[in-house]
Amino acid sequence: KQEVTQIPAALSVPEGENLVLNCSFTDSAIYNLQWFRQDPGKGLTSLLLIQSSQREQTSGRLNASLDKSSGRSTLYIAASQPGDSATYLCAVEEGDMRFGAGTRLTVKP
Amino acid sequence: ETGVTQSPTHLIKTRGQQVTLRCSSQSGHNTVSWYQQALGQGPQFIFQYYREEENGRGNFPPRFSGLQFPNYSSELNVNALELDDSALYLCASSPGIVYGYTFGSGTRLTVV
Repeated sequence: KQEVTQIPAALSVPEGENLVLNCSFTDSAIYNLQWFRQDPGKGLTSLLLIQSSQREQTSGRLNASLDKSSGRSTLYIAASQPGDSATYLCAVEEGDMRFGAGTRLTVKP
Repeated sequence: ETGVTQSPTHLIKTRGQQVTLRCSSQSGHNTVSWYQQALGQGPQFIFQYYREEENGRGNFPPRFSGLQFPNYSSELNVNALELDDSALYLCASSPGIVYGYTFGSGTRLTVV
């Protein structure tokens, strides 16, 4: 059974810092991995999709990497801003999607 | 139409009642999945439909059921509501495996 773990559960940083969010999964037989952002009480906004054959994807200040063999993915956020405050979720797709519990990020002005 | 639209946005029901949640996906998105998200947790997979047939199910009882229609809309039905069914219900659709999923804004269900 696939288990997805996200570390840390919560993170508070001052504005401008670069930061890394971690995601690990137990079964490497995945089709892809997707990072999402969720604001309080809202739905999920897709940030980056990494297909199983890819190693990383970049969008603006965001960079996500995937190492299937070790069952790990990282989301790198450069020059964090208060507007980045949200919960970040990673999910692996193996037909359906399995989610971690998320990392709650607070960026202080 | 672009994006995934869910209705209603909020709903309050009494224990024991039945509820139907609705989702409208983009044209061409043959796969639709439903998720339950309790407060402070990640979304939990309820079931998935592909071309109007159930294509996978998570660890949810039979009182959770669904339908997918040819016009890319779908429904989640929950019978005999329990207090623990209170959660955010998310619909997600995809045109295929390599494209990832697009999520709706969710329906917040409160059972009292």
